[in-house]
Amino acid sequence: EIVLTQSPGTLSLSPGERATLSCRASQSVGSIYLAWYQQKPGQAPRLLIYGASNRATGIPDRFSGSGSGTDFTLTISGLEPEDFAVYYCQQYGNSPRTFGQGTKVEIK
Amino acid sequence: QVQLQESGPGLVKPSETLSLTCTVPGGAINSYYWSWIRQSPGKGLEWFGHLYYTGTINYNPSLKSRVTISLDASKNQLSLNLRSVSAADTAVYYCARGSSGYFSGWGQGTLVTVSS
Repeated sequence: EIVLTQSPGTLSLSPGERATLSCRASQSVGSIYLAWYQQKPGQAPRLLIYGASNRATGIPDRFSGSGSGTDFTLTISGLEPEDFAVYYCQQYGNSPRTFGQGTKVEIK
Repeated sequence: QVQLQESGPGLVKPSETLSLTCTVPGGAINSYYWSWIRQSPGKGLEWFGHLYYTGTINYNPSLKSRVTISLDASKNQLSLNLRSVSAADTAVYYCARGSSGYFSGWGQGTLVTVSS
């Protein structure tokens, strides 16, 4: 099973700042088999990015993904108030599908 | 946004079987992989497995001995049975629509508590 480790655990930033979230895999997930999700309290996760860098339908372009192999990054170019949430990465290069433990982006 | 709706008992006794259903939008069932995922404070997000309408199933090995996922296309329903539950199975359970391995649509989730 591939273990995904996200860092940092919590990111304290102000609106307008840039957020950089990391996801590291215990072994290669391939070049593109990585997704990112956003979750707000009381809600289900929402797909943001698939294929490491493709935005899902309706996702603003301030969200971008990059990386390949074992190291991936989610960048939020300028935080909006609605972006403060928990973010998860998920790999689908191998079975079972696995998720990272999450990074909480909180208001500083 | 895809409308998925989980339903089932919110309380299950230890050692019993947890059974949930998920209603899938009509017409969509033949186009995607359908998964169950749960979320708990202790284990985070955990994937149970997925099923394609053709009958192809892939289970998470860590849960495979206790899990059955099935699909009733005539009712547009996805089902989950988890046997021999314990307190460690207390979680929010989601059904999700899968595309190539990532999850493009989720239900709202249903909390299941295992307790006597």
